[in-house]
Formats: sequence, structure tokens, C-alpha cells
Amino acid sequence: EPEVTQTPSHQVTQMGQEVILRCVPISNHLYFYWYRQILGQKVEFLVSFYNNEISEKSEIFDDQFSVERPDGSNFTLKIRSTKLEDSAMYFCASGQGALNEKLFFGSGTQLSVL
Amino acid sequence: AQSVTQLDSHVSVSEGTPVLLRCNYSSSYSPSLFWYVQHPNKGLQLLLKYTSAATLVKGINGFEAEFKKSETSFHLTKPSAHMSDAAEYFCVVRGNNDMRFGAGTRLTVKP
Repeated sequence: EPEVTQTPSHQVTQMGQEVILRCVPISNHLYFYWYRQILGQKVEFLVSFYNNEISEKSEIFDDQFSVERPDGSNFTLKIRSTKLEDSAMYFCASGQGALNEKLFFGSGTQLSVL
Repeated sequence: AQSVTQLDSHVSVSEGTPVLLRCNYSSSYSPSLFWYVQHPNKGLQLLLKYTSAATLVKGINGFEAEFKKSETSFHLTKPSAHMSDAAEYFCVVRGNNDMRFGAGTRLTVKP
């Protein structure tokens, strides 16, 4: 089965630094998503992306965050000026877009902000 | 708006006994519902999905779920638990542009 791949699997950064989390969605998918899961809490939606623009974002996804599809295959999440509370597992997902279609999730990037 | 509520944060069963993980949903229209599983240090894996074709949905690894509109429920079951079933399980409802996750249920399987 095709896979969504995420790199790195674990990222450690200092508070205030910028990080870029990378994802390679499944090649024929059109919709891309970022989710995060803070330890012990539920999985939270951050943003969805379609046709080279954000289609929906949650209240978590403020100006600190941005997404980009720089080269037609990668899908990145940039977090500027990281804070301690940004520490979480970040999941990328992709799908073909139909309402009843499943999403394929990557194995996540564990971000630790020190 | 769509949402799901998982009624148990933690379920513990003995190996070989049935599993029941409960999920209630709220949706203004006919929902698309999913169960995902997350094993330690792994990504989210789809177990099964409901898309209005049949109310009893069979998934991977012997899991199934029944959509009950009258009860707004989508409980996940398995007749006989295996040690490898120990994981976190998420009930999910599909929104317009996102998926809304339940808080998760941690399943522990005792030998």
C-alpha cells in the first residue's frame, strides 16, 4: 500500500528557533493535512491544503505556522519562533478529497522544544 | 458541526475476551465515520470506515463496527482480543475539510 512519509522522525530544537517538518504525500493525492498530538491529548487538526492554498485552518494555526508545497511532491509545515508548548507529535496526511475517502497518515514527527 | 465522543479513555481486557470501544457521534448530516489505531511509535492506521453503504462494517485484524443512527453510535468490537491489539484507538468523523478526532481509547490486553 502507498505510504505518506515524514522526516525527520524526531526533531529537537531550542525555544525561539524555526523548524520545518517535511512530508511526502501519496503521489496522486490532491488534499494535504497537518495534525498534531500533544502528549496525552487528542489529535488536533491544524490545516488542510488544496490546489496550492490553504482550504481550512484551525484556531491553533496562527501566524506562527505556515505550510508550503515547494516542489510538487513535498508538503512542509514551518513553525517559527518555537515555544515549549509546540512540543508534540505532528502528523501529515493526504487524501484524494472525496468526503468518504480515508486519509493516509504518515508516522509522524516528534517535535521536542527545549 | 461534526464531532465524536469516545466514552472510555481506557479499556482493559484479557486476551481471548471480547473488545468493545464506544464512540458516539454528532453530525448535522449523514456522517462518514472511521476508526484509526495508533501503535506506540507508529502512525495512524485505518481500521475501518463507514460511508453509508452498510451499517455493519468489517475492518482489518478482525475488528468491526456498527453504525446505529438511532443511538448516534459507532462502537468498535472484536470477538477475541489479541496481545497485539494493545494500542490507542481513535473514532473519527469527517468534516468538510478535515477529520475530527475523538480523545482516544487506550486498549490494554492482559495475558
